[in-house]
Amino acid sequence: EVQLLESGGGLVQPGGSLGLSCAASGFTFSDYAMSWVRQAPGKGLEWVSAIRGRGSGSHFADSVRGRFTISRDNSNNTLYLQMSNLRADDTAVYYCAKGLLAPTVSSSWYYFDSWGQGTLVTVSS
Amino acid sequence: EIVLTQFPATLSLSPGERATLSCRASQSVGIYLAWYQQKPGQAPRLLIYDASYRATGIPARFSGGGSGTDFTLTISNLEPEDFAVYYCQQRSTWPRVTFGPGTKVDIK
Repeated sequence: EVQLLESGGGLVQPGGSLGLSCAASGFTFSDYAMSWVRQAPGKGLEWVSAIRGRGSGSHFADSVRGRFTISRDNSNNTLYLQMSNLRADDTAVYYCAKGLLAPTVSSSWYYFDSWGQGTLVTVSS
Repeated sequence: EIVLTQFPATLSLSPGERATLSCRASQSVGIYLAWYQQKPGQAPRLLIYDASYRATGIPARFSGGGSGTDFTLTISNLEPEDFAVYYCQQRSTWPRVTFGPGTKVDIK
């Protein structure tokens, strides 16, 4: 069974930094791209960042580029999101999500077939 | 950026009824669209990908259709556990995937 467990959320002041982790199990972690998707309170879903299964290829939403970095440790099956220069509009539940691989889908970058329970990041003074 | 619009915003139905949800893209996304279900306090769950393919473990009462700019998610016979918010997501402009604002299906 695929399991994704996020940690590291909390309250941080505007301009501050915070690091999130996502511990993965139940699948061959390095075979899949992984993403972070966030959801502001009472709002919809927003893709934040993604990283390829092996290597360092990564992508970011315009709203976080230059402030967030994504990384992974395939030996420990863990995904990370380092957030800096945080703003009030970064307040959200942050989900890690596993990419879907399927016969008709050529890459695990595109859709998200397993999600963690989320960790809440609150940016406020 | 491709903007996804979902309608209606809220759909009020009774168990056993058929639900038809719509997602419209501001420009063609081909068949590169997915649907997710989210219940209160829970993470989203993938239902449909590439417009019409059911994800693993998704009941047959969920079906997706459409291409280009207009897509539908149909729930043929609403079960009590189907009352939730549904989001569409396009991947045509990968890596910048985008989600729609959601449709809430609630109990009439």
